Parts: sequence; structure tokens; C-alpha cells
Amino acid sequence: SQQGEEDPQALSIQEGENATMNCSYKTSINNLQWYRQNSGRGLVHLILIRSNEREKHSGRLRVTLDTSKKSSSLLITASRAADTASYFCARGNFNKFYFGSGTKLNVKP
Amino acid sequence: EADIYQTPRYLVIGTGKKITLECSQTMGHDKMYWYQQDPGMELHLIHYSYGVNSTEKGDLSSESTVSRIRTEHFPLTLESARPSHTSQYLCASSEKPYEQFFGPGTRLTVL
Repeated sequence: SQQGEEDPQALSIQEGENATMNCSYKTSINNLQWYRQNSGRGLVHLILIRSNEREKHSGRLRVTLDTSKKSSSLLITASRAADTASYFCARGNFNKFYFGSGTKLNVKP
Repeated sequence: EADIYQTPRYLVIGTGKKITLECSQTMGHDKMYWYQQDPGMELHLIHYSYGVNSTEKGDLSSESTVSRIRTEHFPLTLESARPSHTSQYLCASSEKPYEQFFGPGTRLTVL
């Protein structure tokens, strides 16, 4: 994508393990967001990190942002089968956002 | 749970038909968006609106058109559907300049 990529494209782990997915971007941003999409459904907003923040937590989610490397990571700790979904990062400024093709996470019970 | 609705959820039609995909939100958001997403692929912004009577084309060229006559309503129309229009269409809205609320999507199949 011209705007960046998520990796890995797919990730399969056992319940209870941690899942880490990464997002890179190419142009400067003022915020980056992570969304989850269950199969065939709309996206649900998970967490936002601003360009002047380095780390943010929300429940079992931890997001980091490294503006020097133009990258972000989403860590899901103690994963559950219900976390099985696709995860997208949205890179943007103000009103327009760019989504990659996402990371498909499969958490096996 | 976000109050944004899309109808129909699934639509199978023949080539050449005119279709309108409906999107409504009850949150009073000024900003609304249409994305196109093929299975397992990235979302592409095809249209957006910052308020009533304001519409703009997104980054992915699309033969569809939109209108925004009321704050809560942002329909997308295809005058003559083709198989290449087969995809999932996602509508979203936002109030703050960041978090977007998405509808459940319309899965369109053109035969």
C-alpha cells in the first residue's frame, strides 16, 4: 500500500499467549488508531495514540508508537478465542484515514 | 454499540441494475464515510462528507455517487451495476476528528 502495511498478514496462537502485530506508515501523521473487524462485519475502534505519545494501554491492549521509525505495534496480552478477528491500523491526519489490509489473528482454544 | 445502520446487509443483483445502499446514523455526527473492501483486503475510502450538502470523492476512484441532504443519511448509488462492483461497502461516521463508528456493511454481488 502507498500508505504503509500491517504485518504479519496472519497470526495463529494458542489461547493465553500474547499476540503482537505491527503497522508501518510512510507520511507524517498526527494520530494512529487500531480497529478490530470480526468476519464479515464492520470495524470497531479499539484505541488511539497521538503522535506525541509513545505508549498507551487499554485493558489487555498495549499500543506503542515510534515516530522515528514510522511504526506502531499492538500487543494483546493473555489472548482469548474471542479475540479472533482482523486487526487494522488507521493512519491519518484530522479527517481522512488510511487502512491497510490488516492482520488476521486466529486464537485457538 | 454504535448507532449506525446499513441496509440491505446482502444484495445480489443483475448487471445493469440501479442500486442504492442506505446508511443512517442517529448520533448527529457531521462526518460520514463510505469505504469499499474486498474480502481479506484493505479498506479504500471512496466518498466522504463533512456535513449537509458537502460530499467529496475519496482516494479510490468509484463509479458510485453519494448525497447528503440530511445529517443522518448518506446513501450511495450505483446507476448501472457491473460485476466489478462486487465488494463489501462499509459506512462510517465520526464526530471527533478521530474515532470512526462503522456500520455492519453491505455485501454486494453483481451477477
